[in-house]
Amino acid sequence: GENVEQHPSTLSVQEGDSAVIKCTYSDSASNYFPWYKQELGKGPQLIIDIRSNVGEKKDQRIAVTLNKTAKHFSLHITETQPEDSAVYFCAASAYNQGGKLIFGQGTELSVKP
Amino acid sequence: DGGITQSPKYLFRKEGQNVTLSCEQNLNHDAMYWYRQDPGQGLRLIYYSQIVNDFQKGDIAEGYSVSREKKESFPLTVTSAQKNPTAFYLCASSRVQGDYEQYFGPGTRLTVT
Repeated sequence: GENVEQHPSTLSVQEGDSAVIKCTYSDSASNYFPWYKQELGKGPQLIIDIRSNVGEKKDQRIAVTLNKTAKHFSLHITETQPEDSAVYFCAASAYNQGGKLIFGQGTELSVKP
Repeated sequence: DGGITQSPKYLFRKEGQNVTLSCEQNLNHDAMYWYRQDPGQGLRLIYYSQIVNDFQKGDIAEGYSVSREKKESFPLTVTSAQKNPTAFYLCASSRVQGDYEQYFGPGTRLTVT
C-alpha cells in the first residue's frame, strides 16, 4: 500500500524567512496531494492541494510543487509570519483506492518573531 | 453556518467501558471518515463510509465500530476491545466518493484510565 514520508519533523524559522517541507510517496498510482495545517487542539484545515497533472500550484504565500518521476512533493511558505506556526501534514491519495488519504507524520513549524 | 461538528470536545472513560463519539455534518457530503491521531504522528484511518448504510474498515479498525443510518451522522464507538483507546479522534467528510477534498471537524480528545 501507499506510504508517505515527511521531513523535517520540526522546523524553526525567523519571521519573514521561507519554509520548505518535503514529502515522498511510494505508490505511483497516487494522483492527489493535499496539505493540511493543524493548530493546537483543532482539526486539520486544508490549505492547498495539487493533482498529478500539474507540476506547481500557488496561492498567495504558499505553493506546492510535485515531481511525479521522483515521487516527491513539497510545500513552500514565503514571508513567514508567527500565525503560520502550526503542524503541517502532507497526504497522498490514489483514485483506485477509493480516495483514501494516507498522511505523512507531520512537521511542527515554529516562526519566531 | 455549515461544517462538521464533533461532540464532546473532551471525553473521559474508565477502562472496560464502550464510548460513542458523535460526528455530524450539514455540508450534504456523501462520504465521511474517522481518523485517529496520536502525539507526534500522522492521522490513521479507522473507518469510512461512502454512502448511507454502507461503510468500510480503514487501516486500524480493530476495537472500533461505526454506523451510517443518516447522511448527516457517522458515530464512532470505541469498544473495550480497543487496547489503546486514549487518542485524539477526528471526523472528516467529502462531497462524494472519490472526491478527494476532505474537511475535518474539531476533534474529540478521549482519555481512558
